[in-house]
Amino acid sequence: DQQVKQNSPSLSVQEGRISILNCDYTNSMFDYFLWYKKYPAEGPTFLISISSIKDKNEDGRFTVFLNKSAKHLSLHIVPSQPGDSAVYFCAASFSGTYKYIFGTGTRLKVLA
Amino acid sequence: EAGVVQSPRYKIIEKKQPVAFWCNPISGHNTLYWYLQNLGQGPELLIRYENEEAVDDSQLPKDRFSAERLKGVDSTLKIQPAELGDSAVYLCASSSATSADTQYFGPGTRLTVL
Repeated sequence: DQQVKQNSPSLSVQEGRISILNCDYTNSMFDYFLWYKKYPAEGPTFLISISSIKDKNEDGRFTVFLNKSAKHLSLHIVPSQPGDSAVYFCAASFSGTYKYIFGTGTRLKVLA
Repeated sequence: EAGVVQSPRYKIIEKKQPVAFWCNPISGHNTLYWYLQNLGQGPELLIRYENEEAVDDSQLPKDRFSAERLKGVDSTLKIQPAELGDSAVYLCASSSATSADTQYFGPGTRLTVL
């Protein structure tokens, strides 16, 4: 049973526009969420995280929103740049357990 | 600061052969993780070490997989014998005690079993 789901395998966005990547989870006990970016032939790179006590966390062009009642989080990239083209994974964990449950990833392509 | 180092980057072996992967975590990171990533999937945890102690190996298939982290720094993951279904990317990650909720990944080893 997939506890963390990324239902869109791919997304294409024009350069300069907003990219919105979505992630749903089933376990309401998850209390820490992360987004990782992965380029081909490289390992995942940490992007941004959010604790369940918050509903928004921002870091430059990247903002993560958490909707606990809907068990949904999203990553917004504004403005999108061609270098953002990568696979994005969301992950959920129980804070302090250090065990991440990853989604299957969304491939973002930013078109110049 | 150097990142997590893994070797080899690629490995092709025939089924039933043994194979080993090596990981050197970020300096000072006491927690080390091994993940398995199948094509089109997210990484799945195999084992987690706190220093030299394996504190979570519930997902490690112990009949053919083994791991060690001698002296609490470098780690090796071994498969013996390898099966066709073991073809995947094996990722190593590490985290520090002061930022334990954030894991930093190495580039991975892509294993192909023929």
